[in-house]
Amino acid sequence: SQQGEEDPQALSIQEGENATMNCSYKTSINNLQWYRQNSGRGLVHLILIRSNEREKHSGRLRVTLDTSKKSSSLLITASRAADTASYFCATDAEAETSGSRLTFGEGTQLTVNP
Amino acid sequence: EAGVVQSPRYKIIEKKQPVAFWCNPISGHNTLYWYLQNLGQGPELLIRYENEEAVDDSQLPKDRFSAERLKGVDSTLKIQPAELGDSAVYLCASSQTWADTQYFGPGTRLTVL
Repeated sequence: SQQGEEDPQALSIQEGENATMNCSYKTSINNLQWYRQNSGRGLVHLILIRSNEREKHSGRLRVTLDTSKKSSSLLITASRAADTASYFCATDAEAETSGSRLTFGEGTQLTVNP
Repeated sequence: EAGVVQSPRYKIIEKKQPVAFWCNPISGHNTLYWYLQNLGQGPELLIRYENEEAVDDSQLPKDRFSAERLKGVDSTLKIQPAELGDSAVYLCASSQTWADTQYFGPGTRLTVL
């Protein structure tokens, strides 16, 4: 079952513009992570934000987390054609069986047009 | 450093046939994961291993799916018999420990006819 819902499902922008993707989730989390997946490839970890953090930066990426609203956003600034990919949020939360489990959203398909 | 290796990359079988996927994690990674990814969806965890022990297999359909990681290194995921609905990408990931970043392999795309 998917814990996260991502919005929008698809986003098309021009090179140089900023892209914002949102993620909402349902349960308490340890941390929230964002991954990128190029077509036909595996997922690549982008950034992790812990539940006690509100904002984090990594290069052109900015992630915010609002635990009161159970939501996160990923901002990619000055987008490039190479940023074209699917972006997934994943929440790390306690599993009923053992330890914690990473649960992925359905993803946002980002297309950056040259 | 080599990443997570999976084989085969693509597999086409007829329904009711068995199929197996193989994964070799990054060297030194104790935790290994198998995920199922349907088209247009995010990955869903099937099973997590800590060394050779399956510590989270609650989402593995055990009537037809099985997995093993006998020596705590590489792992095999098997489906027997395969059904049409099993068509998906099967992803393997590994991490140093369960608390560390997961690194994903390229996946095996399974098509069941």
